[in-house]
Amino acid sequence: AAGVIQSPRHLIKEKRETATLKCYPIPRHDTVYWYQQGPGQDPQFLISFYEKMQSDKGSIPDRFSAQQFSDYHSELNMSSLELGDSALYFCASSLQGNSYEQYFGPGTRLTVT
Amino acid sequence: GQQLNQSPQSMFIQEGEDVSMNCTSSSIFNTWLWYKQDPGEGPVLLIALYKAGELTSNGRLTAQFGITRKDSFLNISASIPSDVGIYFCAGRDFTGTASKLTFGTGTRLQVTL
Repeated sequence: AAGVIQSPRHLIKEKRETATLKCYPIPRHDTVYWYQQGPGQDPQFLISFYEKMQSDKGSIPDRFSAQQFSDYHSELNMSSLELGDSALYFCASSLQGNSYEQYFGPGTRLTVT
Repeated sequence: GQQLNQSPQSMFIQEGEDVSMNCTSSSIFNTWLWYKQDPGEGPVLLIALYKAGELTSNGRLTAQFGITRKDSFLNISASIPSDVGIYFCAGRDFTGTASKLTFGTGTRLQVTL
């Protein structure tokens, strides 16, 4: 079965640079979620989108923005990167109105140097 | 904010033993989910629970949604080496049109032969 696809899998950036992470949800899933997981930590919710509209917001820094496109894929844009932004970034998707089970992608490991 | 405490934090068991871990919350959740995460990978959904008191199995895994809706437990029977990983509980608090997951602190399971 098709799973959530994230790209790139690994990304190395320098401080103050920008980064764009992409997420392709499971086919027919209409809701996308972004999570950040620091080393040894549990995933922390950043933001979610349902039918291309932002639906919920967590602890996402103002330097980050995200959107969901007409084909339901989503992008997380991160600007003015800081060392503390180094983490695993996960995208998850679900099918609203049918199941609230969230299925996670393999993640993007961002390293800021 | 909501906090989910998992116990134990880590456990070493021998192959073939049964494992039990639990998760408690300071507030009520509508859904409990259990995930397993391997290092550097995304969490994989194991079991989803939707009703207070619900007991659900998935192979050697059994999970229950506590009657108070503030706790859940996961049992693994006859553990095998591939059960090694970090197990997270996650609570879903439905608001609006989408929902976010609050993750527990994780239980690291190591299986010895």
